[in-house]
Amino acid sequence: QSVLTQPPSASGTPGQRVTISCSGSNSNIGRNYVYWYQKFPGTAPKLLIYRNNQRPSGVPDRFSASKSGTSASLAISGLRSEDEADYHCAAWDDSLSGWVFGGGTKLIVL
Amino acid sequence: QITLKESGPTLVKPTQTLTLTCTFSGFSLNTFGKGVAWIRQPPGKALEWLALIYWDDNKRYSPSLRSRLTISKDTSKNQVVLTLTNMDPVDTATYYCAVEEGLDGMDVWGQGTTVTVSS
Repeated sequence: QSVLTQPPSASGTPGQRVTISCSGSNSNIGRNYVYWYQKFPGTAPKLLIYRNNQRPSGVPDRFSASKSGTSASLAISGLRSEDEADYHCAAWDDSLSGWVFGGGTKLIVL
Repeated sequence: QITLKESGPTLVKPTQTLTLTCTFSGFSLNTFGKGVAWIRQPPGKALEWLALIYWDDNKRYSPSLRSRLTISKDTSKNQVVLTLTNMDPVDTATYYCAVEEGLDGMDVWGQGTTVTVSS
């Protein structure tokens, strides 16, 4: 059971906007930044969003994220087939003194 | 350009100790604020953070695995070593190392190394 809670799956059609939620607690999301990773099978996770809503260089602005209280969300607009991947949220947990992850959300592009 | 690469055995027997090495380039673990983390992902399961070592040799461990984990660094070789004792089939996973840059998070990851625990 992961410390952060994500829906196991999400789906959308090309061009649509989809959102993926990530729920935590005061000791993690409530007090610290949220990070989002994109992961394709057999490859390493790629940092998609850092510090709640910042995109590393090279990440398209179709990807955006926000945080409110103890929850966060990742939004992907103008959905493309190549966006089909697993998306993981992460945050530092002050109580555990370590990183915690969500269970991951498999995004399916219909 | 920062790169990291994990190395170690692909197969270990139950009760054995796993030793993994993360060899990195493009940064120094002597640099203020830098850290190297280990994370694993069992087949079909979530990412799980294991351990983290900082530039000042400060260490953090997953509470659930603390008694079995040891992380260390060799800055002269640009390496971080993780040991996990008393391996069990549930420890079968792909193990990743990643550079942690403070509030910028774990922003570059190695390709991962798959470890299977089986007799």
